[in-house]
Amino acid sequence: SQQGEEDPQALSIQEGENATMNCSYKTSINNLQWYRQNSGRGLVHLILIRSNEREKHSGRLRVTLDTSKKSSSLLITASRAADTASYFCAPLIQGAQKLVFGQGTRLTINP
Amino acid sequence: DAGVIQSPRHEVTEMGQEVTLRCKPISGHNSLFWYRQTMMRGLELLIYFNNNVPIDDSGMPEDRFSAKMPNASFSTLKIQPSEPRDSAVYFCASSIRRDRNYYGYTFGSGTRLTVV
Repeated sequence: SQQGEEDPQALSIQEGENATMNCSYKTSINNLQWYRQNSGRGLVHLILIRSNEREKHSGRLRVTLDTSKKSSSLLITASRAADTASYFCAPLIQGAQKLVFGQGTRLTINP
Repeated sequence: DAGVIQSPRHEVTEMGQEVTLRCKPISGHNSLFWYRQTMMRGLELLIYFNNNVPIDDSGMPEDRFSAKMPNASFSTLKIQPSEPRDSAVYFCASSIRRDRNYYGYTFGSGTRLTVV
């Protein structure tokens, strides 16, 4: 399978707390991307981490990649109500040209 | 930049009718993707194009679905005849691919299709 599998399927936390979502995949990758989808909207690209990178930051987002374990994590620090959305990881498999998305993690930030 | 533009935003049609969804990718992007999203099946890749050429249509459900990209700034996804099980949100996305460098996708706002 070319898709990533997100864990947990759903996560509910209080505003201000940190949120961590995990992603596992099965084969060698070129890069791994994280996307956010607000209800009723299209996916928004958050961050891309290449296979030779181990960690990447973008504002309140921190992404890690462990190619030996074929896993990645997305950390959102100091969560806000506006972070409520579904989050998807998408590994770009080596030799592939397309992203296949899993079911995502549904994140709810409670005020 | 106006982003990826899809039309219409909503479409309600009767079973058996032809439906055409449209997409204008971001100028300069050379890859275009059509996805379909439902609660049951999640986000499914239907077909994608590189430099206006269809590369992989293995996700197209059946012969009722067809997609074209006549030029770099326009693509269509057609369903003929439509069936109630085609009801879903259809997304178009575009990206750049140069040599071995890959970039993130930009998604449109989607077309919500309801077939009654």
